[in-house]
Amino acid sequence: EAQVTQNPRYLITVTGKKLTVTCSQNMNHEYMSWYRQDPGLGLRQIYYSMNVEVTDKGDVPEGYKVSRKEKRNFPLILESPSPNQTSLYFCASSMGLLPYEQYFGPGTRLTVT
Amino acid sequence: DAKTTQPTSMDCAEGRAANLPCNHSTISGNEYVYWYRQIHSQGPQYIIHGLKNNETNEMASLIITEDRKSSTLILPHATLRDTAVYYCIAVSQGAQKLVFGQGTRLTINP
Repeated sequence: EAQVTQNPRYLITVTGKKLTVTCSQNMNHEYMSWYRQDPGLGLRQIYYSMNVEVTDKGDVPEGYKVSRKEKRNFPLILESPSPNQTSLYFCASSMGLLPYEQYFGPGTRLTVT
Repeated sequence: DAKTTQPTSMDCAEGRAANLPCNHSTISGNEYVYWYRQIHSQGPQYIIHGLKNNETNEMASLIITEDRKSSTLILPHATLRDTAVYYCIAVSQGAQKLVFGQGTRLTINP
């Protein structure tokens, strides 16, 4: 089954404790992206990657890092999480740049205390 | 990418057709109209997209006006599982992201 998986699905952590949210897709997609969703602000792009070793900033990249060492994986790294990074995070992938459809993962709800 | 305008909320009876409007009066010739939906807090789900012509797939139909300034998403026989927030997005070819607005919260009533 074609899918995008994210782990963990839920995470409660403390300020400053480094964490990684994994994202994996099994569709051989070149394009992958991370979004965060906050009430009243909608979905906002954090980072995206057009292929292996090619990443670029989205609208809200501060406080986040990503890497794309393999085509299927696109982890989101929070080196020193802060409470303002409490959010619902989605990973997405697609065949290439739009106008292809994007497939979204199930989401990761992160709480930073 | 062009701005889109959608009603904040709509209701529809189960089994009836749900017609969701979207205005995109500033859309340019190379911008597609995409529809996604988000059920509760799940990941957004692609529904359909089009450029000029009307489109239909197993989920829905997309009707785009001739001047391309507006479109309508049609769910032909709405079920309770279609209750979700529906997003209409104008996307230019080569865009690097989707810009989600507030969408329309569609409630299907039994």
